[in-house]
Amino acid sequence: EIVLTQSPGTLSLSPGERVTLSCRASQSVSDSYLAWHQQRPGQAPRLLIYGASLRATGISDRFSGSGSGTDFTLTISRLEPEDFAVYYCQQYGTSPLTFGGGTKVEIK
Amino acid sequence: QVQLVESGGGLVKPGGSLRLSCAASGFTFSDYYMSWIRQAPGKGLEWVSDIGSSGSPIYYADSVKGRFTISRDNAKNSLYLQMNSLRAEDTAVYYCARDARLRYWGQGTLVTVSS
Repeated sequence: EIVLTQSPGTLSLSPGERVTLSCRASQSVSDSYLAWHQQRPGQAPRLLIYGASLRATGISDRFSGSGSGTDFTLTISRLEPEDFAVYYCQQYGTSPLTFGGGTKVEIK
Repeated sequence: QVQLVESGGGLVKPGGSLRLSCAASGFTFSDYYMSWIRQAPGKGLEWVSDIGSSGSPIYYADSVKGRFTISRDNAKNSLYLQMNSLRAEDTAVYYCARDARLRYWGQGTLVTVSS
């Protein structure tokens, strides 16, 4: 199975800052079938990005995804209060689906 | 709008069984691949099982293979997870989600395995 490693584990930032999250795969992700999900405390996850760089419907353009092969990033251009959450990458190109361990973005 | 509503969670003793359901609405259920994902308390997301739009193919995580059975009833717009021989480590919130990129998630149902 494809192992996804996210870094860093936790980020302490202030509103308005720019943040870049990393997701590295143990082998190439087929057709860039890489998604990013956001999970706020006490809520279900929600899809932000799919196909490595495509924003899901209704997602702010502050969120952008990039990468291919084994290295992917999620960038939040300016942190808003509602963006403090845990972010998971997920690959769906090869069965089984797998997730990264998550990056928590917390308020500094 | 798309809705996925899980039910069937609860407290069960080790070795017991539970059947989770996921009621889907707002889209043509029979067109979509569906997944079960779980999250243990304070932990990350773990894929459990998925099923093709017509009932196949079916895949399971090694941690649940032989104990859990996924199924669907397209006439009832419903997804199911039959969980047998439950263990403490199966304690988690169980989410159903639509398609391989997990475009939509339900709100989850909590399964607690404890004596």
